Amino acid sequence: AQSVAQPEDQVNVAEGNPLTVKCTYSVSGNPYLFWYVQYPNRGLQFLLKYITGDNLVKGSYGFEAEFNKSQTSFHLKKPSALVSDSALYFCAVRDMYRDDKIIFGKGTRLHILP
Amino acid sequence: DTAVSQTPKYLVTQMGNDKSIKCEQNLGHDTMYWYKQDSKKFLKIMFSYNNKELIINETVPNRFSPKSPDKAHLNLHINSLELGDSAVYFCASSPDAGTWQYFGPGTRLTVT
Repeated sequence: AQSVAQPEDQVNVAEGNPLTVKCTYSVSGNPYLFWYVQYPNRGLQFLLKYITGDNLVKGSYGFEAEFNKSQTSFHLKKPSALVSDSALYFCAVRDMYRDDKIIFGKGTRLHILP
Repeated sequence: DTAVSQTPKYLVTQMGNDKSIKCEQNLGHDTMYWYKQDSKKFLKIMFSYNNKELIINETVPNRFSPKSPDKAHLNLHINSLELGDSAVYFCASSPDAGTWQYFGPGTRLTVT
């Protein structure tokens, strides 16, 4: 079965420092991966996706993600964190063997410290 | 101009009652979804419709019944509500199955 894992429940980063939120995947075939962000009391917002092509994917709000096939990872990154980046981040994968449903990781809470 | 809207935003009700949550999208998307987010923020798909046709029906109790009168609307009806149904329910839509999704603001259901 297709799945993603987010190994960290919480990540703390000082404002201005680079941030990384980790995601690893387990898929059969080519992966179709996503990152979403959820601010308090809001719905999820799409940040970026990887289908094929360049391993570095750029998304909204200055975020990018690096696809690494050998390490089966799709880590979310940002060069300089803002306090406003504090939120819950979800990695997700499309399960093409089960009606293309999207399977979400358990989420990683990102705290940016001023 | 809200892309995906849900009503109500909050719903407090007693065990055993029947309630509905409505969802509408004005993005022209073909696919709509219902998700349940529990108190630990774990997000799980419940249903998915593509052009009014049910394509994903996860193992949820049959007290939950989705209805899609047209491709812009996907409503969720819940019978005989139980304490464990308390959660935030999100509606979402996407241009097609398996692509990026646009989420609604959520409906917080509290069953007492």
